[in-house]
Amino acid sequence: DTAVSQTPKYLVTQMGNDKSIKCEQNLGHDTMYWYKQDSKKFLKIMFSYNNKELIINETVPNRFSPKSPDKAHLNLHINSLELGDSAVYFCASSQVAGGLLDTQYFGPGTRLTVL
Amino acid sequence: GENVEQHPSTLSVQEGDSAVIKCTYSDSASNYFPWYKQELGKGPQLIIDIRSNVGEKKDQRIAVTLNKTAKHFSLHITETQPEDSAVYFCAAGYMDSNYQLIWGAGTKLIIKP
Repeated sequence: DTAVSQTPKYLVTQMGNDKSIKCEQNLGHDTMYWYKQDSKKFLKIMFSYNNKELIINETVPNRFSPKSPDKAHLNLHINSLELGDSAVYFCASSQVAGGLLDTQYFGPGTRLTVL
Repeated sequence: GENVEQHPSTLSVQEGDSAVIKCTYSDSASNYFPWYKQELGKGPQLIIDIRSNVGEKKDQRIAVTLNKTAKHFSLHITETQPEDSAVYFCAAGYMDSNYQLIWGAGTKLIIKP
């Protein structure tokens, strides 16, 4: 059973296009995240949702729009793709219980290549 | 805000030797310090974590130490094996940080046969 799944695994597209990445977790967690990992492996938080409510919205171009239809899903839509958007995007989830941060479970990643 | 620095960026050790990766953090409110391992082509995976009420934690060949006064924590891997080759990330966070972890830049660990 896959805990955190993402689709697609690979995404190759042209500049200017609009694309979406889907994420689902079957762990029953309340909190979900989107990260961007560049070629130097640096992990940058983009968004965080807790119980479908946006908690973190880092300095990310407004071309990126997350959507959480329910606690188990957090999708990422990107408009007008640019070359600099090429990266690996990771979805993650965690359960914040008893006022304590806990393990984040990551999906396998989506490698986005913008040509 | 919190800032986490991680060193070294690359670490090459002989198989069987020990490896140590160090991180420092800036916000004394941080109370949760996980370490993640990322293998090639996969997402990061938690290998060990420590909370601020504990100074050391061990799990087989892996240990983490925390010095709250100096605001640094370290990952120790003993008897390294080829499968330990990966990128390792440290992170720091606390509940009021909107559930967010602040991540180190990562250390690429290379185990030489």
